Amino acid sequence: DAMVIQNPRYQVTQFGKPVTLSCSQTLNHNVMYWYQQKSSQAPKLLFHYYDKDFNNEADTPDNFQSRRPNTSFCFLDIRSPGLGDAAMYLCATSRVTSGATSYEQYFGPGTRLTVT
Amino acid sequence: GNSVTQMEGPVTLSEEAFLTINCTYTATGYPSLFWYVQYPGEGLQLLLKATKADDKGSNKGFEATYRKETTSFHLEKGSVQVSDSAVYFCALSISGGSYIPTFGRGTSLIVHP
Repeated sequence: DAMVIQNPRYQVTQFGKPVTLSCSQTLNHNVMYWYQQKSSQAPKLLFHYYDKDFNNEADTPDNFQSRRPNTSFCFLDIRSPGLGDAAMYLCATSRVTSGATSYEQYFGPGTRLTVT
Repeated sequence: GNSVTQMEGPVTLSEEAFLTINCTYTATGYPSLFWYVQYPGEGLQLLLKATKADDKGSNKGFEATYRKETTSFHLEKGSVQVSDSAVYFCALSISGGSYIPTFGRGTSLIVHP
Protein backbone atom coordinates (compact mmCIF):
# COMPACT_ATOMS: atom_id res chain seq x y z
CA ASP A 1 0.00 0.00 0.00
CA ALA A 2 1.15 3.49 -0.77
CA MET A 3 1.95 5.31 2.40
CA VAL A 4 3.88 7.85 4.43
CA ILE A 5 6.50 6.37 6.75
CA GLN A 6 8.19 8.11 9.65
CA ASN A 7 11.22 6.92 11.54
CA PRO A 8 11.76 6.53 14.35
CA ARG A 9 8.33 6.41 15.99
CA TYR A 10 9.86 7.46 19.30
CA GLN A 11 13.00 9.52 19.74
CA VAL A 12 14.67 10.58 22.96
CA THR A 13 17.37 13.22 22.79
CA GLN A 14 19.26 15.31 25.28
CA PHE A 15 18.86 19.02 25.69
CA GLY A 16 20.98 20.72 23.02
CA LYS A 17 21.90 17.52 21.17
CA PRO A 18 21.04 17.66 17.44
CA VAL A 19 18.41 15.24 16.24
CA THR A 20 17.09 14.26 12.81
CA LEU A 21 13.67 12.85 12.06
CA SER A 22 12.94 11.20 8.74
CA CYS A 23 9.96 10.80 6.48
CA SER A 24 9.52 8.82 3.30
CA GLN A 25 6.57 8.40 0.96
CA THR A 26 5.56 5.97 -1.74
CA LEU A 27 2.70 8.15 -3.00
CA ASN A 28 4.88 10.17 -5.40
CA HIS A 29 3.29 13.35 -4.10
CA ASN A 30 4.99 16.62 -4.97
CA VAL A 31 4.37 18.42 -1.68
CA MET A 32 5.73 17.32 1.70
CA TYR A 33 4.99 19.03 5.01
CA TRP A 34 6.34 18.97 8.54
CA TYR A 35 4.03 19.71 11.44
CA GLN A 36 4.61 20.02 15.17
CA GLN A 37 1.77 18.88 17.39
CA LYS A 38 1.65 19.38 21.12
CA SER A 39 -0.80 17.70 23.41
CA SER A 40 -4.47 18.54 22.78
CA GLN A 41 -3.63 20.99 20.01
CA ALA A 42 -4.02 21.12 16.26
CA PRO A 43 -0.92 20.42 14.17
CA LYS A 44 1.21 23.50 13.59
CA LEU A 45 2.86 23.79 10.20
CA LEU A 46 6.63 24.31 10.41
CA PHE A 47 7.50 24.27 6.70
CA HIS A 48 6.81 22.48 3.48
CA TYR A 49 8.41 21.61 0.17
CA TYR A 50 6.60 22.16 -3.11
CA ASP A 51 8.76 19.94 -5.32
CA LYS A 52 12.25 21.24 -4.46
CA ASP A 53 11.09 24.66 -3.31
CA PHE A 54 11.35 25.15 0.44
CA ASN A 55 8.67 27.24 2.16
CA ASN A 56 9.25 28.25 5.76
CA GLU A 57 6.46 29.47 8.02
CA ALA A 58 7.21 32.92 9.42
CA ASP A 59 7.09 31.81 13.03
CA THR A 60 9.15 28.63 12.70
CA PRO A 61 12.26 28.97 14.88
CA ASP A 62 15.67 28.93 13.18
CA ASN A 63 16.45 25.89 15.30
CA PHE A 64 14.35 23.84 12.87
CA GLN A 65 15.74 22.98 9.45
CA SER A 66 14.66 20.64 6.71
CA ARG A 67 16.10 18.79 3.73
CA ARG A 68 14.43 17.07 0.82
CA PRO A 69 17.10 15.20 -1.14
CA ASN A 70 14.60 13.63 -3.54
CA THR A 71 10.86 13.28 -4.11
CA SER A 72 10.47 10.41 -1.66
CA PHE A 73 12.39 11.58 1.38
CA CYS A 74 12.26 14.56 3.69
CA PHE A 75 14.16 15.21 6.93
CA LEU A 76 13.55 17.45 9.90
CA ASP A 77 16.67 18.60 11.73
CA ILE A 78 16.47 20.17 15.16
CA ARG A 79 19.84 21.75 15.76
CA SER A 80 19.66 22.36 19.50
CA PRO A 81 16.52 20.84 21.01
CA GLY A 82 15.06 22.57 24.01
CA LEU A 83 12.54 21.21 26.47
CA GLY A 84 9.84 23.14 24.63
CA ASP A 85 10.51 21.17 21.46
CA ALA A 86 9.17 17.97 22.98
CA ALA A 87 6.17 17.14 20.82
CA MET A 88 4.77 14.85 18.15
CA TYR A 89 6.22 15.62 14.72
CA LEU A 90 4.01 14.75 11.79
CA CYS A 91 5.02 14.44 8.17
CA ALA A 92 2.34 14.79 5.51
CA THR A 93 2.14 14.76 1.74
CA SER A 94 -0.28 15.96 -0.90
CA ARG A 95 -0.55 16.05 -4.66
CA VAL A 96 -0.94 19.62 -5.82
CA THR A 97 -1.73 20.19 -9.48
CA SER A 98 -3.11 23.20 -11.29
CA GLY A 99 -6.38 21.48 -12.13
CA ALA A 100 -7.09 19.97 -8.72
CA THR A 101 -10.22 20.91 -6.80
CA SER A 102 -9.09 19.69 -3.39
CA TYR A 103 -5.78 19.08 -1.67
CA GLU A 104 -6.19 16.38 0.92
CA GLN A 105 -3.20 15.45 2.98
CA TYR A 106 -1.81 12.03 3.83
CA PHE A 107 -0.08 11.81 7.18
CA GLY A 108 2.55 9.53 8.59
CA PRO A 109 2.16 8.00 12.05
CA GLY A 110 4.35 10.65 13.63
CA THR A 111 7.54 10.70 15.71
CA ARG A 112 7.17 11.37 19.40
CA LEU A 113 10.18 13.44 20.50
CA THR A 114 11.22 13.53 24.13
CA VAL A 115 13.91 15.96 25.29
CA THR A 116 15.69 15.15 28.54
CA GLY B 1 -8.14 35.05 5.89
CA ASN B 2 -9.35 31.49 6.31
CA SER B 3 -10.48 30.04 9.61
CA VAL B 4 -12.22 26.96 10.98
CA THR B 5 -14.16 26.90 14.22
CA GLN B 6 -15.03 23.64 15.92
CA MET B 7 -17.04 22.96 19.01
CA GLU B 8 -14.97 22.48 22.11
CA GLY B 9 -14.56 19.04 23.55
CA PRO B 10 -14.41 16.62 24.97
CA VAL B 11 -17.64 15.20 23.68
CA THR B 12 -18.56 12.25 25.86
CA LEU B 13 -21.15 9.75 24.64
CA SER B 14 -22.38 6.28 25.40
CA GLU B 15 -22.03 3.58 22.78
CA GLU B 16 -24.78 3.71 20.10
CA ALA B 17 -25.54 7.38 20.77
CA PHE B 18 -25.92 9.92 17.97
CA LEU B 19 -22.92 12.14 17.32
CA THR B 20 -22.72 15.69 16.03
CA ILE B 21 -19.52 17.71 15.98
CA ASN B 22 -20.07 21.24 14.72
CA CYS B 23 -17.72 22.95 12.29
CA THR B 24 -18.09 26.37 10.71
CA TYR B 25 -15.67 28.20 8.48
CA THR B 26 -14.72 31.46 6.87
CA ALA B 27 -12.83 31.42 3.60
CA THR B 28 -11.44 33.74 0.96
CA GLY B 29 -12.25 31.80 -2.16
CA TYR B 30 -14.14 28.56 -2.70
CA PRO B 31 -13.11 26.00 -0.09
CA SER B 32 -12.95 22.25 -0.12
CA LEU B 33 -13.83 20.85 3.29
CA PHE B 34 -12.39 17.91 5.17
CA TRP B 35 -12.72 15.93 8.33
CA TYR B 36 -9.60 14.22 9.64
CA VAL B 37 -9.47 11.77 12.53
CA GLN B 38 -6.53 11.17 14.86
CA TYR B 39 -6.52 8.04 17.01
CA PRO B 40 -4.33 8.08 20.14
CA GLY B 41 -0.62 8.04 19.33
CA GLU B 42 -1.14 8.16 15.58
CA GLY B 43 -1.09 10.64 12.71
CA LEU B 44 -4.16 12.20 11.16
CA GLN B 45 -6.22 10.24 8.63
CA LEU B 46 -8.61 11.70 6.11
CA LEU B 47 -12.10 10.64 7.17
CA LEU B 48 -14.21 12.35 4.51
CA LYS B 49 -14.33 15.38 2.26
CA ALA B 50 -16.65 17.54 0.15
CA THR B 51 -15.56 19.83 -2.63
CA LYS B 52 -18.67 21.81 -3.52
CA ALA B 53 -21.86 23.12 -1.97
CA ASP B 54 -24.48 20.51 -1.01
CA ASP B 55 -21.99 17.65 -1.46
CA LYS B 56 -22.17 15.01 1.24
CA GLY B 57 -18.99 13.25 2.26
CA SER B 58 -19.33 9.88 3.96
CA ASN B 59 -17.09 7.14 5.30
CA LYS B 60 -17.27 4.49 8.05
CA GLY B 61 -20.79 5.60 8.98
CA PHE B 62 -19.76 9.24 9.37
CA GLU B 63 -21.35 11.94 7.21
CA ALA B 64 -20.95 15.67 6.67
CA THR B 65 -22.76 17.98 4.26
CA TYR B 66 -21.18 21.09 2.75
CA ARG B 67 -23.61 23.92 3.58
CA LYS B 68 -22.55 27.08 1.83
CA GLU B 69 -25.48 29.15 3.12
CA THR B 70 -24.52 28.50 6.74
CA THR B 71 -20.76 28.03 6.05
CA SER B 72 -20.87 24.76 7.96
CA PHE B 73 -19.65 21.18 7.63
CA HIS B 74 -20.96 19.37 10.70
CA LEU B 75 -19.85 15.78 11.30
CA GLU B 76 -22.53 13.23 12.21
CA LYS B 77 -22.77 9.55 12.98
CA GLY B 78 -25.94 7.72 13.85
CA SER B 79 -24.48 5.20 16.29
CA VAL B 80 -21.02 5.65 17.74
CA GLN B 81 -18.77 2.85 18.93
CA VAL B 82 -16.01 2.78 21.53
CA SER B 83 -13.54 2.46 18.65
CA ASP B 84 -14.62 5.91 17.39
CA SER B 85 -12.93 7.53 20.38
CA ALA B 86 -10.41 9.91 18.82
CA VAL B 87 -9.78 13.57 18.04
CA TYR B 88 -11.60 14.95 15.00
CA PHE B 89 -10.25 17.89 13.01
CA CYS B 90 -12.24 19.95 10.54
CA ALA B 91 -10.15 21.58 7.82
CA LEU B 92 -10.40 23.53 4.59
CA SER B 93 -8.25 24.29 1.58
CA ILE B 94 -9.04 26.68 -1.24
CA SER B 95 -9.87 25.09 -4.57
CA GLY B 96 -7.46 26.33 -7.18
CA GLY B 97 -5.81 28.48 -4.54
CA SER B 98 -3.95 27.93 -1.31
CA TYR B 99 -3.19 24.26 -0.93
CA ILE B 100 -2.05 24.73 2.67
CA PRO B 101 -4.97 23.53 4.81
CA THR B 102 -6.43 25.49 7.67
CA PHE B 103 -7.28 23.23 10.60
CA GLY B 104 -9.73 23.67 13.40
CA ARG B 105 -8.54 23.12 16.94
CA GLY B 106 -9.87 19.56 17.07
CA THR B 107 -12.66 17.98 19.08
CA SER B 108 -11.99 15.03 21.32
CA LEU B 109 -14.64 12.30 21.30
CA ILE B 110 -14.83 9.80 24.14
CA VAL B 111 -17.26 6.91 23.78
CA HIS B 112 -18.08 4.80 26.84
CA PRO B 113 -19.34 1.20 26.63
